[in-house]
Amino acid sequence: GAGVSQTPSNKVTEKGKYVELRCDPISGHTALYWYRQSLGQGPEFLIYFQGTGAADDSGLPNDRFFAVRPEGSVSTLKIQRTERGDSAMYLCASSSKSGSGNEQFFGPGTRLTVL
Amino acid sequence: GESVGLHLPTLSVQEGDNSIINCAYSNSASDYFIWYKQESGKGPQFIIDIRSNMDKRQGQRVTVLLNKTVKHLSLQIAATQPGDSAVYFCAENSGGSNYKLTFGKGTLLTVNP
Repeated sequence: GAGVSQTPSNKVTEKGKYVELRCDPISGHTALYWYRQSLGQGPEFLIYFQGTGAADDSGLPNDRFFAVRPEGSVSTLKIQRTERGDSAMYLCASSSKSGSGNEQFFGPGTRLTVL
Repeated sequence: GESVGLHLPTLSVQEGDNSIINCAYSNSASDYFIWYKQESGKGPQFIIDIRSNMDKRQGQRVTVLLNKTVKHLSLQIAATQPGDSAVYFCAENSGGSNYKLTFGKGTLLTVNP
């Protein structure tokens, strides 16, 4: 079956611009996660959705970052006034439900480059 | 100017050898641990997991060992193959969280044919 998909695979933008990154989770997965991975580092938690609501957004670095999941399926990560330091791989994952032992399946990521 | 590179621990092995990748986790309250494999340009892929009530778990060609006393986790890969070349991350459920994973720095495994 289809795994987690993310679009675009690569995004190059200029400093100060607005970007949207999309995640399509595995069908039927209620839990969705966004992580950010800098070069040479492990993924860092950004936000977790259970259904339509953001159950934990404590990992979002500042108020320029926002994510939505209006119908409990597709999610969009939005970054306003991008900065060069936002350049990273943005990973989305989904699981059938939350809870330890529920495997998080990762998408291929979106590579964001801010010039 | 200074170049920014991958400052990952690295492990280089010959095809057919066994590999051991180590990880120190940070939170003594974490009770669930996972090893992920990440190939270049791809997202992390689940390999094997273990709960804190176990100290060893085996999968196909892989074994995870957990030492809670020293907060240490290891991944053993038997008969390493070129296709095993990747970055390997350990992750913990942050302090017992039901959803948040904290990842380690990663180890780059290179398998020489």
